[in-house]
Amino acid sequence: GENVEQHPSTLSVQEGDSAVIKCTYSDSASNYFPWYKQELGKRPQLIIDIRSNVGEKKDQRIAVTLNKTAKHFSLHITETQPEDSAVYFCAATLWGSNQFYFGTGTSLTVIP
Amino acid sequence: NAGVTQTPKFRVLKTGQSMTLLCAQDMNHEYMYWYRQDPGMGLRLIHYSVGEGTTAKGEVPDGYNVSRLKKQNFLLGLESAAPSQTSVYFCASSSNRVRDYGYTFGSGTRLTVV
Repeated sequence: GENVEQHPSTLSVQEGDSAVIKCTYSDSASNYFPWYKQELGKRPQLIIDIRSNVGEKKDQRIAVTLNKTAKHFSLHITETQPEDSAVYFCAATLWGSNQFYFGTGTSLTVIP
Repeated sequence: NAGVTQTPKFRVLKTGQSMTLLCAQDMNHEYMYWYRQDPGMGLRLIHYSVGEGTTAKGEVPDGYNVSRLKKQNFLLGLESAAPSQTSVYFCASSSNRVRDYGYTFGSGTRLTVV
């Protein structure tokens, strides 16, 4: 099955700086890559996703890039704010599959 | 529209006790899932269902059973709880057009087995 690795496990940045979280996946057939944000004590919520037919997707301060050849994708958060502090999970799946494979999460702390 | 609702939110069990976690969704989603979340291990799939009356094993199914008697409900049962089952449990649902919408998660159940 698919194996998703996520790095780093913890990340601290100063407010206003950028944060980058990277994930690699093992199954070249995977073609859908969502990112979830989980605030302390809350449920994971989808923040952005990308499909394998595009290399980059942006939504305001967040963006995701995908390198299919290298089998990795990354989450980029610019101009970080304290409310960006949370655990972020990446996932990978094959179109038509019923199961998402999650990374182990990155705990992001934005220092005011 | 409540989305995905889990009950209970917290529970403490003694080793050997049994309990059922309930997940209910009002989005008419075909697919439902139970995950457990442990520190440093991310989200691991326990069981899932692709429709009413169907269930399938995920990555870590041992010690758990599930049932999907109604499309909107997905039950997770622990027949004889063990301390290793102390975790936060999340239910999720998705449309059969899952690639369009991703998962919708419930708010979680924090279970402690002593």
